[in-house]
Amino acid sequence: SQTIHQWPATLVQPVGSPLSLECTVEGTSNPNLYWYRQAAGRGLQLLFYSVGIGQISSEVPQNLSASRPQDRQFILSSKKLLLSDSGFYLCAWSGYDTGNSNQPQHFGDGTRLSIL
Amino acid sequence: AQSVAQPEDQVNVAEGNPLTVKCTYSVSGNPYLFWYVQYPNRGLQFLLKYITGDNLVKGSYGFEAEFNKSQTSFHLKKPSALVSDSALYFCAVRDGGIKAAGNKLTFGGGTRVLVKP
Repeated sequence: SQTIHQWPATLVQPVGSPLSLECTVEGTSNPNLYWYRQAAGRGLQLLFYSVGIGQISSEVPQNLSASRPQDRQFILSSKKLLLSDSGFYLCAWSGYDTGNSNQPQHFGDGTRLSIL
Repeated sequence: AQSVAQPEDQVNVAEGNPLTVKCTYSVSGNPYLFWYVQYPNRGLQFLLKYITGDNLVKGSYGFEAEFNKSQTSFHLKKPSALVSDSALYFCAVRDGGIKAAGNKLTFGGGTRVLVKP
């Protein structure tokens, strides 16, 4: 069966420090991968998605970047964190599709990031 | 463009009573519709989906959802709510008429469900 892992679960960082959040998926090949941010326990904002190694699409301009160095690894990074980067970051995956898929996305348990 | 609306920020229901969480959507093609549940400090858990076929879809934990094309709605229901159903619920949609890489979903703003004993 497929599983998704995110770490760390919580992170407290000072303003201006770098960030690296990691997400890995097991039990599937060539998944679509996603990074979301959830503010104040409500709506989800899609930050990045990836359909393959090295292929990253950004949904919103921001202080963050994403990379996919391996098929089942997705990394969210920042060189200098801002106070506004605080939030709950969720990674998700869905099965490989040809562009018209009805497959659900499956989520990790998230990283709660607090910027001081 | 695809969009989804959850008109209620919060739904309160007594344990044992029926639960309904409302969702309406807008797509240009055929809708692919999903419901998720989120417990505190956890990720979203997939409950059920509608792609085609029977308008009543059954999912996990006794939940079901009814697709209504004329009303562009996909309301989540449970006949008898439990205290443990208290959580945040999200409806999501994908426009099945658009072929685009990434399988991106559009999520509603979420509805908080509080089931009181």
